[in-house]
Amino acid sequence: DAGVIQSPRHEVTEMGQEVTLRCKPISGHNSLFWYRQTMMRGLELLIYFNNNVPIDDSGMPEDRFSAKMPNASFSTLKIQPSEPRDSAVYFCASSLGVWELFFGEGSRLTVL
Amino acid sequence: DAKTTQPPSMDCAEGRAANLPCNHSTISGNEYVYWYRQIHSQGPQYIIHGLKNNETNEMASLIITEDRKSSTLILPHATLRDTAVYYCIVMVGKKSSGDKLTFGTGTRLAVRP
Repeated sequence: DAGVIQSPRHEVTEMGQEVTLRCKPISGHNSLFWYRQTMMRGLELLIYFNNNVPIDDSGMPEDRFSAKMPNASFSTLKIQPSEPRDSAVYFCASSLGVWELFFGEGSRLTVL
Repeated sequence: DAKTTQPPSMDCAEGRAANLPCNHSTISGNEYVYWYRQIHSQGPQYIIHGLKNNETNEMASLIITEDRKSSTLILPHATLRDTAVYYCIVMVGKKSSGDKLTFGTGTRLAVRP
């Protein structure tokens, strides 16, 4: 199995631009999670989906952030407009029914 | 979820056992103890979990005290590749709409050559 696949691995953009991060979960997994990691705040859960339905989005910082899961094999996290404080590593993870999450390698976002 | 307390950092010599403690004195009867680790620049990695019995897998052993108020993750023969931040997390075993896997600050383990 290829594991959780995230793209892009690195993104550098300017303030105000739209950023889209992508995630392909492990085939057969029914839950998908988006986390953000910064030095100041550590690992934060942004949102998670069960069977493609958002279950908890209370960690999404503000309306500039949105996440979708149109099908079981794809999810996106969008930031529009981006700000320098959004600079972080964004991790996607998937799991099957329990709390054994498999994480991707992360997308490192830098907003100038 | 019950709160956990871990030492901020530890070290051990390569080839020796690394014993990482975790206190979870307010754990509920239906909550499991999960351990994850994060090697630098990588995503977190699941290690092991348990309810009340000791557990062992190819990566580590988990020892949970009889009163379940604390546990120890044991890496039996630590290698340099085990240098990472280790997170102890307490969760209800099965997902429900109110549960979230929340990472604290963990223990930074340094394995010395």
